[in-house]
Amino acid sequence: GAGVSQSPSNKVTEKGKDVELRCDPISGHTALYWYRQRLGQGLEFLIYFQGNSAPDKSGLPSDRFSAERTGESVSTLTIQRTQQEDSAVYLCASSPIPWLIPNYGYTFGSGTRLTVV
Amino acid sequence: EDKVVQSPLSLVVHEGDTVTLNCSYEVTNFRSLLWYKQEKKAPTFLFMLTSSGIEKKSGRLSSILDKKELFSILNITATQTGDSAIYLCAVVRGSRLTFGEGTQLTVNP
Repeated sequence: GAGVSQSPSNKVTEKGKDVELRCDPISGHTALYWYRQRLGQGLEFLIYFQGNSAPDKSGLPSDRFSAERTGESVSTLTIQRTQQEDSAVYLCASSPIPWLIPNYGYTFGSGTRLTVV
Repeated sequence: EDKVVQSPLSLVVHEGDTVTLNCSYEVTNFRSLLWYKQEKKAPTFLFMLTSSGIEKKSGRLSSILDKKELFSILNITATQTGDSAIYLCAVVRGSRLTFGEGTQLTVNP
């Protein structure tokens, strides 16, 4: 697609339920990132996928969080047993091989606003 | 631990003013620094800086990096209400971006 697509754009869930967030990166982008942004704060790295390499999961805040990506396509971020502190905007970004491409940066999706009540 | 600190955290100006946003960083194995503008949810890319002293310019926006003093500035001249947004600075280290908290800029008519 033309841009990074995320769904749903908004999600309200009850505490304790599981949620699944979806990210469709730009076609041909090998790198895919998930970030979390709590209200009034900067972006917090969660996980990074690069091609078929093992993902960098070092930013996942707890074992309730997991993410998958098949090849260079769609990724899903799953949060199990949601807690109120999980409320945030979850942003996905994709990139061609980063750091080898100057002046490009990363392209972000519009995010999913998750509210846990 | 990597650190990216932006200042000020918020700024209110009038249309036509010039603003300077600051970003300092402490990162091992620094590769590059990026500036983003975030109006609603999706940050949009402004600049990527890899070399010291070379100014990047796009219209009324410009940015420069100082790798010796470990900071970058983002300048916006002749501000407009449409410049109101959160401006995010991020450094690239390895496979990830580390973001600062952002500067909330409000431009009043």
